[in-house]
Amino acid sequence: ETGVTQTPRHLVMGMTNKKSLKCEQHLGHNAMYWYKQSAKKPLELMFVYSLEERVENNSVPSRFSPECPNSSHLFLHLHTLQPEDSALYLCASSQDLRGGNYGYTFGSGTRLTVV
Amino acid sequence: GQQVMQIPQYQHVQEGEDFTTYCNSSTTLSNIQWYKQRPGGHPVFLIQLVKSGEVKKQKRLTFQFGEAKKNSSLHITATQTTDVGTYFCAGRNYGQNFVFGPGTRLSVLP
Repeated sequence: ETGVTQTPRHLVMGMTNKKSLKCEQHLGHNAMYWYKQSAKKPLELMFVYSLEERVENNSVPSRFSPECPNSSHLFLHLHTLQPEDSALYLCASSQDLRGGNYGYTFGSGTRLTVV
Repeated sequence: GQQVMQIPQYQHVQEGEDFTTYCNSSTTLSNIQWYKQRPGGHPVFLIQLVKSGEVKKQKRLTFQFGEAKKNSSLHITATQTTDVGTYFCAGRNYGQNFVFGPGTRLSVLP
């Protein structure tokens, strides 16, 4: 366990489905992030939340919708995805937006396959 | 926007050989971090460098931050099979988020 828990670990969904990814941290961190990692691209930052407020949205398509109800939980709502959205989705947290002295703590990720 | 590059993309070494990966930023960085991702795993934080010219060591790993704070390196002495994985640098420009490099994938042949 890394301190950041992501569920589910694996998800297969059709293009017309709606699903949600969940991330939970009890490290007392104030910043949380969603990253996309695919085989051909480096870690792509999707969304950043600081103290439950979204501070960055990196030109992510609207079929991805984040939600941060409190500083410990982060969701990524998915709908009408495309096959090219298949990837490993990683949640991370950090002490603050500067990364803190201990960097980002990543969850184990959700391996998403869109069929 | 800020870009972070890493070379090489892949490195295959014989166990016991040394390994170095280089990280270069298009802009001056306030700090840089290094992560390791084992096959099938997730990135794990290794270290953060903040000062110009800083050198830090963790057992067989040596991390350097360039004098101009635009580049960094990770050197592993006498690699072991447990060193296998992808090593990412992540650079942060003042006031910005960290930008991850594409990573260097290390294979160690026993």
